[in-house]
Amino acid sequence: DAEITQSPRHKITETGRQVTLACHQTWNHNNMFWYRQDLGHGLRLIHYSYGVQDTNKGEVSDGYSVSRSNTEDLPLTLESAASSQTSVYFCASSPGTGDQEQYFGPGTRLTVT
Amino acid sequence: GQSLEQPSEVTAVEGAIVQINCTYQTSGFYGLSWYQQHDGGAPTFLSYNALDGLEETGRFSSFLSRSDSYGYLLLQELQMKDSASYFCAVNTGFQKLVFGTGTRLLVSP
Repeated sequence: DAEITQSPRHKITETGRQVTLACHQTWNHNNMFWYRQDLGHGLRLIHYSYGVQDTNKGEVSDGYSVSRSNTEDLPLTLESAASSQTSVYFCASSPGTGDQEQYFGPGTRLTVT
Repeated sequence: GQSLEQPSEVTAVEGAIVQINCTYQTSGFYGLSWYQQHDGGAPTFLSYNALDGLEETGRFSSFLSRSDSYGYLLLQELQMKDSASYFCAVNTGFQKLVFGTGTRLLVSP
């Protein structure tokens, strides 16, 4: 069955380290999104992509970067992790047609110490 | 700025009907979505309204009034498994979503 996966599911890192969170979908969806979820803020859009080689900044993109070298993957990189980036990170994908549903991965819980 | 307002918590009993409201103020509007999220889980899509009116999907219905910048999610015949957080989200264009802070629904026996 087609799916969207994230790895790792849990990560503890130190301030200043570079961290990459993986997102992989097998639906062949054009659109992919990264969100962070914090108490009191709901989900906030970090970066998004509408296809290979396309990336765009979302509402809270500072300190994060993404790259889209193929349809299936959109890795999220924290260039220099900060304690403020401790959060739960969700990746999502959608077909990019009239279907408005976004399909979310299981999430990655990141702790920056 | 962009803001979506929804109640932080709602309680109800099994078999009851509950309505979760959402008012929004965003720089663009193409539609209103609702997502459900159980504790520790991922958000899952429930419904989408692009036009005014009521959309029904089984026990769940969603309503939109664009002139009032308002929508709601209606859950009927509540079950214990409906205990979860519910998020409204505005599509501000090209599927870019702005989410509300969520409503925690507690269903008791």
